[in-house]
Order: sequence, then C-alpha cells, then structure tokens
Amino acid sequence: DIQMTQSPSSLSASIGDKVTITCRASQVIRNNLAWYQQKPGKAPKRLIYGASSLQSGVPSRFSGSGSGTEFTLTISSLQPEDFATYYCLQHNSYPLTFGGGTNVEIK
Amino acid sequence: QVQLVESGGGVVQPGRSLRLSCAASGFTFSSYGMHWVRQAPGKGLEWVALIWYDGTNKYYGDSVKGRFTVSRDDSKNTLSLQMNSLSADDTAIYYCARAAGVVIDYWGQGTLVTVSS
Repeated sequence: DIQMTQSPSSLSASIGDKVTITCRASQVIRNNLAWYQQKPGKAPKRLIYGASSLQSGVPSRFSGSGSGTEFTLTISSLQPEDFATYYCLQHNSYPLTFGGGTNVEIK
Repeated sequence: QVQLVESGGGVVQPGRSLRLSCAASGFTFSSYGMHWVRQAPGKGLEWVALIWYDGTNKYYGDSVKGRFTVSRDDSKNTLSLQMNSLSADDTAIYYCARAAGVVIDYWGQGTLVTVSS
C-alpha cells in the first residue's frame, strides 16, 4: 500500500499569511493526487485534482504543485473561511490512501 | 447539482451487520464509479471501497476486505454498503462519494455508524 505522509499535522497562521502543506508518497504516484478541505461537521470538499488543477469555483489563492512523490498545497493569502482541515488523497493505486490531515488554526 | 444522501446508519452491536445506502441525483449515476469513505470520531479520512461505473470491478480497503461489500442499483440510482462482522473499530461517519475517473469529486453529508453493546 502507498503511504501518504502529510505535514505539518497542524499549524497556526494569521489572516493574509501564505500557508504551505506537504504530502509525500511512499512510491511514485505521478500526478494522481487530490486535495480536500474539511470544515467541522461537514463533508470534505475537493480543492485540487491532478496535483495542480483547481476545482471549479475554488478561489485562486489555492494552488497545488508536485509530481512523483512530493506534493504541496499552497494558500497564498489565508482568509477567515480557510480555517479547516486539509487532506491529500492518492488515487494512483489501490487501496486509495489519504494523508493524515493538516489542521489550519487561527494564530 | 450533484446530490448524495446517505442513510442506514445507527447503533449496532459488535458482530452484527448493517447496510448503508446512498441515494444519488443530479447526474447520470450509471456513468460514474462510486466510493465509500469513513471517518472515525475525531480522526482522519479512510478510504473504504470503490465500485466502477458498470459494477464490473470493486476494490476495498485492507481493514474491511472480506467483511464489507459494495454494490449498486442503477435502476434506483442507489449505492449500497453491506457491512458484516462489525467491531468498535468500524465506528465512524460513512460518506458516499462520486468518482471522476477514480478520484473523488463530490461527497455526501455522511451517516454515522456506532458499534457498541
């Protein structure tokens, strides 16, 4: 199985900060990676697919990059509505596996 | 718009079975694969199962293989998850989700399954 190591597990940031979250895959997964945002009590919402393609309707301050084994999600200027938990998901091979999540909190 | 509504959750005793359903609308159900994903209380997301759009292939996570069975009824736009031999470790919110290719694009709101005596 492919292990997805997501870091950091939590971070504190201020409005307007640039935030970077990383996922590392234990094997090459090409660009078969997506990023999701989950707010408390809600279902996850897809932000990025294909490692770098922005989901329709998602603000352009979100961006994804990477290929192979290392991937990043960047929020260029953190907004109040961005405080949430973020997960990566590899879909290169079965079983699909999620990263452990990154909880983005208000500083 | 895409709507996925799960049902069938509740409290079940260890060792017993439970069947979850997911009613889909707003898209051509028979053209999409469908996933189940779960989330234990206060924990991260865990992928459970995928059924291809035509039902010909099914895949399962390691922790549920041999106990859970995913199925679909395209005539009713419904996805199901039959869960057998349940244990406390299966306590979670269970989400159904649509597959765009393989990757998940839309999620339902989830149904809570609690395994407890």
